[in-house]
Amino acid sequence: DVQLVESGGGLVQPGGSLRLSCTASGFTFNTYWMSWVRQAPGKGLEWVASIQTDGKKTQYVDSVKGRFTISRDNAKNSLYLQMNSLRAEDTAVYYCARCEDYWGHGTLVTVSS
Amino acid sequence: QLVVTQSPSASASLGASVKLTCTLSSGHSSFPIAWHQQPPERGPRYLMRVNSDGSHNKGDGIPDRFSGTSSGAERYLTISGLQSEDEADYYCQSWGTGSRVFGGGTKLTVL
Repeated sequence: DVQLVESGGGLVQPGGSLRLSCTASGFTFNTYWMSWVRQAPGKGLEWVASIQTDGKKTQYVDSVKGRFTISRDNAKNSLYLQMNSLRAEDTAVYYCARCEDYWGHGTLVTVSS
Repeated sequence: QLVVTQSPSASASLGASVKLTCTLSSGHSSFPIAWHQQPPERGPRYLMRVNSDGSHNKGDGIPDRFSGTSSGAERYLTISGLQSEDEADYYCQSWGTGSRVFGGGTKLTVL
């Protein structure tokens, strides 16, 4: 079965950094685009970033460009999201998604002083 | 720029059918979309991809009660034989140039 397990969320102060991880299993990881999608409290889904199978091509929503970096380690079946210069509006549950056809359960990131 | 529009809410009775609509912005009527279901307090689940010709590809384990169709710039999700567990938020998502775009979601209430 396909499984995506996120980790790394938590409470961080504005301006701080956090690194999210997603461990994948049950499929050939290096053949799929992967994405991060977030959901602020009480709000809808918002796409954050995506990465090509070999990691050479990445895409970001405008609001995180220059602050967030998506990456992957195909040898470890893992996806990452490095989040820097965090803002209160980045507070959300962050989901790892395989090409948008499988989702993880999410990890909560709270940016607050 | 790709914009995906959904009605904020819909309701239907237990056992009835409901048709949810997703509208693609001008110039994007040929784009495929994906439907995702998010029950209360849970993560999203992929339902299906709907192409502009109306063909659709369901995710693993999605019941036959869920089907997708298309007309022009509109993509539809029809749920027949509504069950209480179908009460959820339903999101439409498409693929723009270098991006993915979600609609605002439709909250479905099963009466």
